[in-house]
Amino acid sequence: DTEVTQTPKHLVMGMTNKKSLKCEQHMGHRAMYWYKQKAKKPPELMFVYSYEKLSINESVPSRFSPECPNSSLLNLHLHALQPEDSALYLCASSQFSGTPSSTDTQYFGPGTRLTVL
Amino acid sequence: RKEVEQDPGPFNVPEGATVAFNCTYSNSASQSFFWYRQDCRKEPKLLMSVYSSGNEDGRFTAQLNRASQYISLLIRDSKLSDSATYLCVVSRSTSGTYKYIFGTGTRLKVLA
Repeated sequence: DTEVTQTPKHLVMGMTNKKSLKCEQHMGHRAMYWYKQKAKKPPELMFVYSYEKLSINESVPSRFSPECPNSSLLNLHLHALQPEDSALYLCASSQFSGTPSSTDTQYFGPGTRLTVL
Repeated sequence: RKEVEQDPGPFNVPEGATVAFNCTYSNSASQSFFWYRQDCRKEPKLLMSVYSSGNEDGRFTAQLNRASQYISLLIRDSKLSDSATYLCVVSRSTSGTYKYIFGTGTRLKVLA
């Protein structure tokens, strides 16, 4: 099973709302990622968690707050977002076996399509 | 200069044609290489990993040239269903984890 699940599929929120995106994988992967993707652009890395610790924050604004409650779950908490934050938010996971190899494939969830009004 | 570069296309080809995509990467510390396919409004899906010796999966052939820092994807006998964006991805170690760096993607449209 190479499935990464994400909820919700769609989210519409106002600029003063607080919401959370959820991601789950049961492949035993130890690295999990959040990406943001705008139309006709490639995914843009936001955060990386390795062994439940935040390893990379790509200078993401503090209105995005990641959380990794356990090795299978990854959340992205949203607060006071701007209309330009509207995008597809993708979660991914990879095995993280020690050194990158061709078997350390990233698997993506279907994404949450976020609209900020 | 972007770390991973691809021709954005679009490549418009007739059904049955052979089409090749190229990708260059600038960081010599890059360790693993992949081609992903992304359909409109969907998530990227792994098409194939790319090995130094080159590898083939049905109509798809991938090549890696580490000396030139160049990756290619060849699609033979194109089908309408091959229409998608093809993303070149390289990974490397950084900050105690792996980072996957995406090219801009190459759009392919196969025409009937």
